[in-house]
Amino acid sequence: LAKTTQPISMDSYEGQEVNITCSHNNIATNDYITWYQQFPSQGPRFIIQGYKTKVTNEVASLFIPADRKSSTLSLPRVSLSDTAVYYCLVVAQGANNLFFGTGTRLTVIP
Amino acid sequence: DTAVSQTPKYLVTQMGNDKSIKCEQNLGHDTMYWYKQDSKKFLKIMFSYNNKELIINETVPNRFSPKSPDKAHLNLHINSLELGDSAVYFCASSQDAGGRTEAFFGQGTRLTVV
Repeated sequence: LAKTTQPISMDSYEGQEVNITCSHNNIATNDYITWYQQFPSQGPRFIIQGYKTKVTNEVASLFIPADRKSSTLSLPRVSLSDTAVYYCLVVAQGANNLFFGTGTRLTVIP
Repeated sequence: DTAVSQTPKYLVTQMGNDKSIKCEQNLGHDTMYWYKQDSKKFLKIMFSYNNKELIINETVPNRFSPKSPDKAHLNLHINSLELGDSAVYFCASSQDAGGRTEAFFGQGTRLTVV
């Protein structure tokens, strides 16, 4: 099981781009990188998943370098409503569950 | 319509009592899970069921017993509640047992044992 390491917390002003980096040095060949977002008093919500290079959806972008030992979640022009905990997960093919780490608590400041 | 719904949302009970939390998903998913989030916000898997069969049972006291009457439901029964059981419990579901498919979480049940 690949361990993930991400900053415990980050602050950002409204309107800025936020990049949250996650390290996963022992990621395996068949592992995918997945990010979840959790608002206070709610369950986690899937944001994005990728294997390599770049993935973009309506919410975020995910950048994965060639060695796949890290990944960066990019949130464009954050707003106050983006204040949440963001979890980076490395998910193995055929895995039966998700292992959540400590996550990164993002606080968006007016 | 709520995809994954849990009841109750809040549960306050005394030590030693037995309680249940219900979970239902209307997504047609094959796999359902129970997670526990403690006061330090760590989110840990407790159980995973695929097509009504238990596939993961992490190190959880046997006072916790999941029951899946059908594919759409996974209820959590807790016997002889202890103070340390106080936490938020999340139910989730995904299309299959592979962790690569998106998991949908319920809104959580905040259990407080007094």
